[in-house]
Amino acid sequence: AQTVTQSQPEMSVQEAETVTLSCTYDTSESNYYLFWYKQPPSRQMILVIRQEAYKQQNATENRFSVNFQKAAKSFSLKISDSQLGDTAMYFCAFMKSRNTDKLIFGTGTRLQVFP
Amino acid sequence: KAGVTQTPRYLIKTRGQQVTLSCSPISGHRSVSWYQQTPGQGLQFLFEYFSETQRNKGNFPGRFSGRQFSNSRSEMNVSTLELGDSALYLCASSLAEGIKYQETQYFGPGTRLLVL
Repeated sequence: AQTVTQSQPEMSVQEAETVTLSCTYDTSESNYYLFWYKQPPSRQMILVIRQEAYKQQNATENRFSVNFQKAAKSFSLKISDSQLGDTAMYFCAFMKSRNTDKLIFGTGTRLQVFP
Repeated sequence: KAGVTQTPRYLIKTRGQQVTLSCSPISGHRSVSWYQQTPGQGLQFLFEYFSETQRNKGNFPGRFSGRQFSNSRSEMNVSTLELGDSALYLCASSLAEGIKYQETQYFGPGTRLLVL
């Protein structure tokens, strides 16, 4: 069975600084997808970034980028130039690539951005 | 395009009652999944529907059921409510063309259920 671990329950960062959130996972699958979702206080789950396991290049979306280490089963999220609006819960999620949309989530990291 | 919509947004029920939650996916999306979010258990997968068929089911008791209609709208039902069913119930949809699943799911705002 697949598992996703986020070892940082809470993190804080000052506005304009850079912060990295950690995620590790366990799977025997060779092809899969990884995601970071953001859940602000409104509780709306918002996709931040996704990574296909067969792609070696790390995904980037504006200020958000990942460091995907397939052999180490590590998938960290880097937020550059942090903004107050980045304050939220961040969830790392895993999905097998075949015949399912089932997401397996980590326990989340609460990120607080301070002015 | 309109996003995923869920109704109702808030619901209060008492133990033993049943409840039905509704989810309308993004137009053109054919796969709908449901998740339960609680402070203690986090985000847990309930079930997934594609073309009116349940494709996957999470580890929940039979009191939790769902269905999908021909227009891809989905409902989930919880019978004989227990206090522990209090949670945020999230619905997500994806394109899922044919048998090849698209990998990105988009979530609705959720239905917050409180069981007294």
